[in-house]
Amino acid sequence: GAGVSQTPSNKVTEKGKYVELRCDPISGHTALYWYRQSLGQGPEFLIYFQGTGAADDSGLPNDRFFAVRPEGSVSTLKIQRTERGDSAVYLCASSKRGGFGVSVYKDTEAFFGQGTRLTVV
Amino acid sequence: GENVEQHPSTLSVQEGDSAVIKCTYSDSASNYFPWYKQELGKRPQLIIDIRSNVGEKKDQRIAVTLNKTAKHFSLHITETQPEDSAVYFCAARGPPAENTGFQKLVFGTGTRLLVSP
Repeated sequence: GAGVSQTPSNKVTEKGKYVELRCDPISGHTALYWYRQSLGQGPEFLIYFQGTGAADDSGLPNDRFFAVRPEGSVSTLKIQRTERGDSAVYLCASSKRGGFGVSVYKDTEAFFGQGTRLTVV
Repeated sequence: GENVEQHPSTLSVQEGDSAVIKCTYSDSASNYFPWYKQELGKRPQLIIDIRSNVGEKKDQRIAVTLNKTAKHFSLHITETQPEDSAVYFCAARGPPAENTGFQKLVFGTGTRLLVSP
């Protein structure tokens, strides 16, 4: 597609429920990143995929959070037993190559999706 | 790990004035510093970036300066226009993670810029 697409754009769920957030990266981008943006804060790193594998998941806050990218394209962020503190905008980004700013060429520039606003009530 | 601080949190200017947003970073090994613009309800978009081997970079009305010794970098917008109103985020590429070598982008907390006509 023309850009990174995230669905749904908004999700309201009850505390304790399970949610899945989907990210469709730009076609051909091998690197995919998930970030979380709380109100009034900058994006906070969650996980980075290079192809199908999670190259770095050090930002996932706890084991209720999990993400997959089985075919190296679409990624799903899964949150179990949601808590009110999980409420945030979840941003996905992709780039042609992994690693920000490692090349003089623009192939490591990360393009963000519009995010999924998750509200846990 | 890397820590990025950003000031001010809010900045109001008159159209035509200049705006300056400042960031500091903690890890001297960081060597890539992008700036993102996020309009209300929209995605963050890269507007300019700078690498540590350069002290200043300019692109039309926007410029970024980097002081490696002091570990701070700034975004300068000249001749501001109402459409410049948005939240601006600075970021720094942190040190390699011990186990993966991945260097993640660490963002500042954002500056809400309001340009009044």
